[in-house]
Amino acid sequence: GNSVTQMEGPVTLSEEAFLTINCTYTATGYPSLFWYVQYPGEGLQLLLKATKADDKGSNKGFEATYRKETTSFHLEKGSVQVSDSAVYFCALSDRFGNEKLTFGTGTRLTIIP
Amino acid sequence: DAGVIQSPRHEVTEMGQEVTLRCKPISGHDYLFWYRQTMMRGLELLIYFNNNVPIDDSGMPEDRFSAKMPNASFSTLKIQPSEPRDSAVYFCASRTGFDGYTFGSGTRLTVV
Repeated sequence: GNSVTQMEGPVTLSEEAFLTINCTYTATGYPSLFWYVQYPGEGLQLLLKATKADDKGSNKGFEATYRKETTSFHLEKGSVQVSDSAVYFCALSDRFGNEKLTFGTGTRLTIIP
Repeated sequence: DAGVIQSPRHEVTEMGQEVTLRCKPISGHDYLFWYRQTMMRGLELLIYFNNNVPIDDSGMPEDRFSAKMPNASFSTLKIQPSEPRDSAVYFCASRTGFDGYTFGSGTRLTVV
């Protein structure tokens, strides 16, 4: 079945540091890949997505590239801010017949000034 | 669009009481999902609907849980009787097509 593996947190960085959160997946077919962000006390929000190999999703300075050869979708940001502190979830959806999103366990990110 | 609307935002109830959580999906979205989030288990898919019909309820933990979607703009998740281990944040999400979901803000349930 489908699965998503994320790097375990929590991750603590200083403001303006470079961020990488690793995500790898196992899936049949040709999944779409997503990163969601959850701020304290809120629901999950779609951060970015990629629907085919070599696509790069980007939003708010975050980027992730769909790498089929390594089955990865790592999240990166060049210079993090305190406001980026949140929990980040990697997820996939199988485009062929499986409507469910499969989520990773989430990575808690804390940025200190 | 107002997004996915859930009510109430917070619910505190005594063990044994019935609890009903409500969700209004985004207009035009044909899939609706109910998730539960806890520190121990993370995000768990409980049940999802397509065009108001339940498709997969294998995540519903036990018979105390039930969900309905009487029309395209409303769904409920009911727990009867509630237990302390049901304490969690319950999220509703909706989508259409192959895009990702739009989540509601969640209902934080505390059973004492």
